[in-house]
Amino acid sequence: AQTVTQSQPEMSVQEAETVTLSCTYDTSESDYYLFWYKQPPSRQMILVIRQEAYKQQNATENRFSVNFQKAAKSFSLKISDSQLGDAAMYFCAYQSSNTGKLIFGQGTTLQVKP
Amino acid sequence: DAGVIQSPRHEVTEMGQEVTLRCKPISGHNSLFWYRQTMMRGLELLIYFNNNVPIDDSGMPEDRFSAKMPNASFSTLKIQPSEPRDSAVYFCASSLQVVSYEQYFGPGTRLTVT
Repeated sequence: AQTVTQSQPEMSVQEAETVTLSCTYDTSESDYYLFWYKQPPSRQMILVIRQEAYKQQNATENRFSVNFQKAAKSFSLKISDSQLGDAAMYFCAYQSSNTGKLIFGQGTTLQVKP
Repeated sequence: DAGVIQSPRHEVTEMGQEVTLRCKPISGHNSLFWYRQTMMRGLELLIYFNNNVPIDDSGMPEDRFSAKMPNASFSTLKIQPSEPRDSAVYFCASSLQVVSYEQYFGPGTRLTVT
């Protein structure tokens, strides 16, 4: 069975600085998808970024980028120029290409200090 | 599009009562997912449908839980009888297809069973 681990329950960053959230996963599959979702206090789940495992190039979305290391089964999220609105819980998720199931990590709460 | 619609947003009920949560997916999406979020267990997939057909209900905790999708625009998650340990936030999500596409989450239903 696949598992997703986020080892940092809480992180904090100064506004305008850069922060990296860690995620590791375990799978025997070769084809899968990885996601980062953001959950602000409103509890709405919002997709931040998506990565296909077959793509070597790291995904980027504006200030958000990932460092995808397939061999190490690592999928970290880098937030550049952090803004107050980035404060939220961030979830890493794995999706099997066979079943489509999304498996979430435990989440990392990000605090942004002004 | 209005996004995924869930009702009610909040539900408070007494132990033993029947609870029905409702979800309207985004029009044109073929896959629908039900998740439960608790502090102890995080985000868990309960069941998902593709083209209105249940594909995997292995995450449904007990026989007290049931889900239906009578048509492409409506799904229900029912708990009968409810217990205090069912208290959680229940999310519905939809996507174009089961695999690889972003899952769009509804705002969630916060269920409290007293």
